Amino acid sequence: DGGITQSPKYLFRKEGQNVTLSCEQNLNHDAMYWYRQDPGQGLRLIYYSQIVNDFQKGDIAEGYSVSREKKESFPLTVTSAQKNPTAFYLCASSNKETGKEEQYFGPGTRLTVT
Amino acid sequence: SQQGEEDPQALSIQEGENATMNCSYKTSINNLQWYRQNSGRGLVHLILIRSNEREKHSGRLRVTLDTSKKSSSLLITASRAADTASYFCATDAPYGGATNKLIFGTGTLLAVQP
Repeated sequence: DGGITQSPKYLFRKEGQNVTLSCEQNLNHDAMYWYRQDPGQGLRLIYYSQIVNDFQKGDIAEGYSVSREKKESFPLTVTSAQKNPTAFYLCASSNKETGKEEQYFGPGTRLTVT
Repeated sequence: SQQGEEDPQALSIQEGENATMNCSYKTSINNLQWYRQNSGRGLVHLILIRSNEREKHSGRLRVTLDTSKKSSSLLITASRAADTASYFCATDAPYGGATNKLIFGTGTLLAVQP
């Protein structure tokens, strides 16, 4: 059963703490992405990775960090430097082949920082 | 930055009616994609239309693309209560050599009343 998983579904943290969100895919996709979604808003790109051991900043990378040590995994760390971390975080993956550009999304992690 | 703007922001219709959502974007694109998001869930890819295509069908969905006006529309025919969701357009634009880097619009919230 192929897919993309995120854990946990809900996460609560105190202000000043770093927190890492998990994203795993078994679709053999090269590219992976992290998005942030605020209430009533579209998705904004935080980081993306097109290949193992390489990643690029998206539009709102400040206060976040990622790693891509394995093809299947693309964890996102929300650091204490992120001013407004409470949001819904979505991970996605895609195949880089022409004709297969759609992105597959995980179920999301809702992070609440108080 | 958000390239796509959907219109309307919210739409309420009766079951059996057709629903039309529009998307406008700003720069040239490789393709335009439509996604659906049920409340609190990840996004699901619906349909992709390439810049050299004008219309595409998939089941009850019809998508049009007018590159001269930088706009697209999504038509859902014979809507059902289960179609209630937010719908997002996303553009895959040439961006620093990267591929599959989507820019999402702000979404249309569709409510289908039974």
